[in-house]
Amino acid sequence: QAVLTQPSSLSASPGASASLTCTLRSDINVETFRIYWFQQRPGSPPQYLLRYRSDSDKQQASGVPSRFSGLKDASANAGILVISGLQSEDEAEYYCMIWHNSAGVFGGGTKLTVL
Amino acid sequence: QITLRESGPTLVTPTETLTLTCTFSGFSLNTRGVNVGWIRQPPGKALEWLGVIYWNDDKRYSPSLKSRLSITTDTSKNHVVLTMTNMDPVDTATYYCAHGTLYYEFWSGYDDNCFDPWGQGILVIVSS
Repeated sequence: QAVLTQPSSLSASPGASASLTCTLRSDINVETFRIYWFQQRPGSPPQYLLRYRSDSDKQQASGVPSRFSGLKDASANAGILVISGLQSEDEAEYYCMIWHNSAGVFGGGTKLTVL
Repeated sequence: QITLRESGPTLVTPTETLTLTCTFSGFSLNTRGVNVGWIRQPPGKALEWLGVIYWNDDKRYSPSLKSRLSITTDTSKNHVVLTMTNMDPVDTATYYCAHGTLYYEFWSGYDDNCFDPWGQGILVIVSS
């Protein structure tokens, strides 16, 4: 079982909100970790968006709009990236990452389509 | 402003050793907590973390690739070099280097790393 699991794709309408999930393997407690989120547009390198551990331990990358935010769902053992007020420019691949056993681990990515 | 740029061969033959250089500016690898990571992405596939070198010359590698990887820096610490041995066509990917900042909690022992920003990447094709 993969350490981090993301749905491969998600579609949402302009102006709506999208919740992208990053589910941790069952033996890894999401409460422990900072979840890092990256956005990757076609032909470009990933860009750091934000990290979320709790409401008291979170960070928004410089220049990232506040309509991007992080959450956790402890019951699902998952981190969530919420994008509100979807715009066409938000169409991209989104990756989550954690640091596990002193090594980086990425999720498989979610392709977000805004249509 | 922090910038990173990957350089090296764009075509390697199977079994060959790949050597990539990450040239950076805007930060010092002598600063506590600073590090440089390597990540790769096969065409159309997900990101894969390869390894990291820290300001104190400590290194960490992906467990699945550890036997093939080496990350070093030169004495001036203006470049970081990734070496991967025994290249195979499945290693065809865009290779990125990224600036990292270590986070460490003394009271819990929890640590993690934030990669920001990333270089533009270099596509390496492994083919005979």
